[in-house]
Amino acid sequence: EPEVTQTPSHQVTQMGQEVILRCVPISNHLYFYWYRQILGQKVEFLVSFYNNEISEKSEIFDDQFSVERPDGSNFTLKIRSTKLEDSAMYFCASSERKGARDTEAFFGQGTRLTVV
Amino acid sequence: AQSVAQPEDQVNVAEGNPLTVKCTYSVSGNPYLFWYVQYPNRGLQFLLKYITGDNLVKGSYGFEAEFNKSQTSFHLKKPSALVSDSALYFCAVRDFYSSASKIIFGSGTRLSIRP
Repeated sequence: EPEVTQTPSHQVTQMGQEVILRCVPISNHLYFYWYRQILGQKVEFLVSFYNNEISEKSEIFDDQFSVERPDGSNFTLKIRSTKLEDSAMYFCASSERKGARDTEAFFGQGTRLTVV
Repeated sequence: AQSVAQPEDQVNVAEGNPLTVKCTYSVSGNPYLFWYVQYPNRGLQFLLKYITGDNLVKGSYGFEAEFNKSQTSFHLKKPSALVSDSALYFCAVRDFYSSASKIIFGSGTRLSIRP
């Protein structure tokens, strides 16, 4: 069964360092998302991506964040200068059809980011 | 704005008993509702969805959910709980006012099944 894969599973970084979280969405999917979850709490939307550009972003997704789909398969989230409060589980997700309301999003296993 | 609410942070059930995890929604127009489950240190797994049609939706692992328009609820149910059902459950809704129809999650309910 196709799945969304994320690497690494766990990333530890020093405050102020840049990190890149990587995701390979399901191959025929068109919409891509990043979410984050702090300490097993609510899952928060960060950004959506379609047709090689950001469709929507939340207030969390400030200038320190960026996304990219460099090669048509990978989908990355970059945090330029990490802060302690960026420590969270980051989930990548993808959906099959353009903004289709009736399709579920498929989520990866997550990357646990720890900023020290 | 579209939203879902999960009024219970924690639900405790004995193995073999029926379980219910509650969810209410607030949407403009037709709701597109989902349940996801998160096992410890794992990602979010899709369980089931309601789009239209039959109000009782069946999903993975023996779970089902009942859509109730008059009560704006979408409660997750299972007739007989297993210890392995212990996990964090999220109700969710598609935000179709969003350009990408992002999924909005409830706050989550931790389900604990005791042997």
